[in-house]
Amino acid sequence: DGGITQSPKYLFRKEGQNVTLSCEQNLNHDAMYWYRQDPGQGLRLIYYSQIVNDFQKGDIAEGYSVSREKKESFPLTVTSAQKNPTAFYLCASSPGTSAYEQYFGPGTRLTVT
Amino acid sequence: EDQVTQSPEALRLQEGESSSLNCSYTVSGLRGLFWYRQDPGKGPEFLFTLYSAGEEKEKERLKATLTKKESFLHITAPKPEDSATYLCAVQDTGNQFYFGTGTSLTVIP
Repeated sequence: DGGITQSPKYLFRKEGQNVTLSCEQNLNHDAMYWYRQDPGQGLRLIYYSQIVNDFQKGDIAEGYSVSREKKESFPLTVTSAQKNPTAFYLCASSPGTSAYEQYFGPGTRLTVT
Repeated sequence: EDQVTQSPEALRLQEGESSSLNCSYTVSGLRGLFWYRQDPGKGPEFLFTLYSAGEEKEKERLKATLTKKESFLHITAPKPEDSATYLCAVQDTGNQFYFGTGTSLTVIP
C-alpha cells in the first residue's frame, strides 16, 4: 500500500523546545515538500527537496530545518527560533518538481505552549 | 505578484443543487493547475491536474475546466459526502507552487 505517512498526528511541546516531525513515503518519489497550514491562509512552503542530500528553502524557512539522507524520508525540525510554531504541518511528495501533482500525508498538528 | 484567489470562501448547497467553484490565477507562465479536496484535520487529496486552456477533466460528480485566467470546479447533483474544502494550486514555469485559501463546501441533505 503506497503512500505518505506522518507521525505523530498530534504533538504538544513547551516553548523553547525543538521538535522533529516525521515524514516517510514509499512512492519512490524524488521530490518532497513541507508546508504549513494556518486558518484562513493558503498552504505555505517551508522547505523542499528534489533529490537526496539536497534541499532548498521555501517562503517561510526561518526557524525550521530539514534533512534528506534517504529518498523516502524528509524530517522537519521546528526549532525554538520559530516564533509562532503552532500550526498544522503537511508533508507532500511528487515524482519530480515540474508539472507533477503533489501527494500529501495526513498531517501533524503541533501545539506549542 | 503571482497569486491564486478562490471564490466563494464558503458555499452551502442543498443535496442535488449543482454549482461551481472558481479559482482565478495570475502567474507569469502556467505549468499546471491542481485541484485538491481536504477534509477537516486531514491532508489534501489530489483530484485533477489541468495543463492548458480548454482542457477539462471529470471524476464522478466533479468536473474541472481551465481558461487562461481561471479554473472552475463544477459539482453536479452534490451529495453530503462531497462536503469538504476544495483547494486550488498553480505551478508556474519557475516550478513555484501557489495555493489558494480554499472554498469550504457544505452540502445539506
